[in-house]
Amino acid sequence: AQRVTQPEKLLSVFKGAPVELKCNYSYSGSPELFWYVQYSRQRLQLLLRHISRESIKGFTADLNKGETSFHLKKPFAQEEDSAMYYCALHTGGFKTIFGAGTRLFVKA
Amino acid sequence: DTEVTQTPKHLVMGMTNKKSLKCEQHMGHRAMYWYKQKAKKPPELMFVYSYEKLSINESVPSRFSPECPNSSLLNLHLHALQPEDSALYLCASSRETGIHEQYFGPGTRLTVT
Repeated sequence: AQRVTQPEKLLSVFKGAPVELKCNYSYSGSPELFWYVQYSRQRLQLLLRHISRESIKGFTADLNKGETSFHLKKPFAQEEDSAMYYCALHTGGFKTIFGAGTRLFVKA
Repeated sequence: DTEVTQTPKHLVMGMTNKKSLKCEQHMGHRAMYWYKQKAKKPPELMFVYSYEKLSINESVPSRFSPECPNSSLLNLHLHALQPEDSALYLCASSRETGIHEQYFGPGTRLTVT
């Protein structure tokens, strides 16, 4: 079955602390994974994709095929990082499956 | 223009009404999508259009009828909806289908009474 699991509905950290948002996937093919973010009162937008191997706003994510994970990390969280984060799996063809989402709250 | 626009922002309709949602993009994207998002849930794919042809229908009830009149425009026609259809309807587009970034519109908040 094709599935994306984000085990944490809510993650609360202090400003300056490291943050890790977990994402695990289930897919028999070669996965294409994304992190999308939705800031308050803004539309859903791409944060980063695994094929780019880039750092966006200090966030990075590494695809671990052995653990079927694509966790999102940032060494020092900022208050403006507070948002809803969705891990998404593209299954080839036309379909994208979103995880349930994790709400990140960065406290001052 | 790098935005996906959706109209209306809010829509309230009765179960016997017929209404339409509209989505527009002028980025030259050839793939367009409709998603349904219930409160505190992730977006769920409904339909995918590729080069103005319907490529995916995720077993959506026939009371939802998509239409892609041209490469910039995507409509969702609604008829005889149920209260459980109340949700945020998101439109998205991407350069093509496949591993391309999807650009999302702000959504239409639909309430069925």
